[in-house]
Amino acid sequence: KAGVTQTPRYLIKTRGQQVTLSCSPISGHRSVSWYQQTPGQGLQFLFEYFSETQRNKGNFPGRFSGRQFSNSRSEMNVSTLELGDSALYLCASSVSQYEQYFGPGTRLTVT
Amino acid sequence: QKEVEQNSGPLSVPEGAIASLNCTYSDRGSQSFFWYRQYSGKSPELIMSIYSNGDKEDGRFTAQLNKASQYVSLLIRDSQPSDSATYLCAVNPNQGGKLIFGQGTELSVKP
Repeated sequence: KAGVTQTPRYLIKTRGQQVTLSCSPISGHRSVSWYQQTPGQGLQFLFEYFSETQRNKGNFPGRFSGRQFSNSRSEMNVSTLELGDSALYLCASSVSQYEQYFGPGTRLTVT
Repeated sequence: QKEVEQNSGPLSVPEGAIASLNCTYSDRGSQSFFWYRQYSGKSPELIMSIYSNGDKEDGRFTAQLNKASQYVSLLIRDSQPSDSATYLCAVNPNQGGKLIFGQGTELSVKP
């Protein structure tokens, strides 16, 4: 079974721009969760989508948004990028709310 | 108080020894607990999940859960240099697909 895939793997953006990251879950997994990982804050939960609905949201500003499509693929969008948004963005998929399997991540650098 | 706390390490053990990693959590309603391994530059990899009090063994890994003490641990027997990585404790606070992570414990296994 193929694992979680994320595209792109690396991104360099300028402050003020916006970015869209994509995540394809493991086949059959309907839940996709997004996380931000930085050296200072560690792994922090952004939001979770299940059956095209946002089921949970973390403590991030409204510049961070996401959506899920009918095939369970998910995208997250960050608008008006700030330097502090530089991070590894990880998505994880699961059957429901149990074991989550992570993709390789998207490394975002904001200059 | 942080929601999930781990000793940051680094924890150094000789090859063949038992490595013991500890984690405490604050939300008594939490029901699902996970250990992830993350190699430098890679994404987290699920190695153990535990849902009930007691021990759960999988190969060289044993997870222990004590909900009364709000404590989760991971034992790695016969530690190998390839086990050198950061180990992340994650807790699901009974909120769908949301995981709260500890800061991770860096483990170094010396040959």
